[in-house]
Amino acid sequence: GQQVMQIPQYQHVQEGEDFTTYCNSSTTLSNIQWYKQRPGGHPVFLIQLVKSGEVKKQKRLTFQFGEAKKNSSLHITATQTTDVGTYFCAARGSGAGSYQLTFGKGTKLSVIP
Amino acid sequence: DADVTQTPRNRITKTGKRIMLECSQTKGHDRMYWYRQDPGLGLRLIYYSFDVKDINKGEISDGYSVSRQAQAKFSLSLESAIPNQTALYFCATSGKGLTGELFFGEGSRLTVL
Repeated sequence: GQQVMQIPQYQHVQEGEDFTTYCNSSTTLSNIQWYKQRPGGHPVFLIQLVKSGEVKKQKRLTFQFGEAKKNSSLHITATQTTDVGTYFCAARGSGAGSYQLTFGKGTKLSVIP
Repeated sequence: DADVTQTPRNRITKTGKRIMLECSQTKGHDRMYWYRQDPGLGLRLIYYSFDVKDINKGEISDGYSVSRQAQAKFSLSLESAIPNQTALYFCATSGKGLTGELFFGEGSRLTVL
């Protein structure tokens, strides 16, 4: 089945520092989604990327989809304590029968005030 | 009220017991999913259903069964619970189409002693 590698597993940053999490696949993806899960909460959809090389921004968050559609990144500029949580990528393959989303293992972000 | 409701939210049971986790949604979505979350392993798909008459196995269906009683209801059963089924379980829904985002319930934490 679809394999998605997400790194790093943990990241501790000082408030105000930047943060990036990466998601990589060995196969071409049709699209990729990003979710955020606050401590004790449930995953909440952030964004979906579909096009090769696509870049989308949401305030301090920047999402990128690689040119080859095999990797993606989420970058947070000037982290705040409200950014604490686990960020997951969820990838959908491009082959037949690959409808289902495969989640990365997540990056847990801690922000030190 | 939450759009995707899971019951129970917490359950402690013993090995060998039958357990049912229930999920109901008011989003009017046809597609429903059951995921399992373990620390450091991300979200893994157990079963999914595209409509009332459609049930499909996911990545880790062994030891689980599901029932789609109505468009709005999707239940997950553990016929004979074992300790390694201790986990956080999420129900999710999505609309039609290959690019649908997932809407998650608040989770059911199951402990099997």
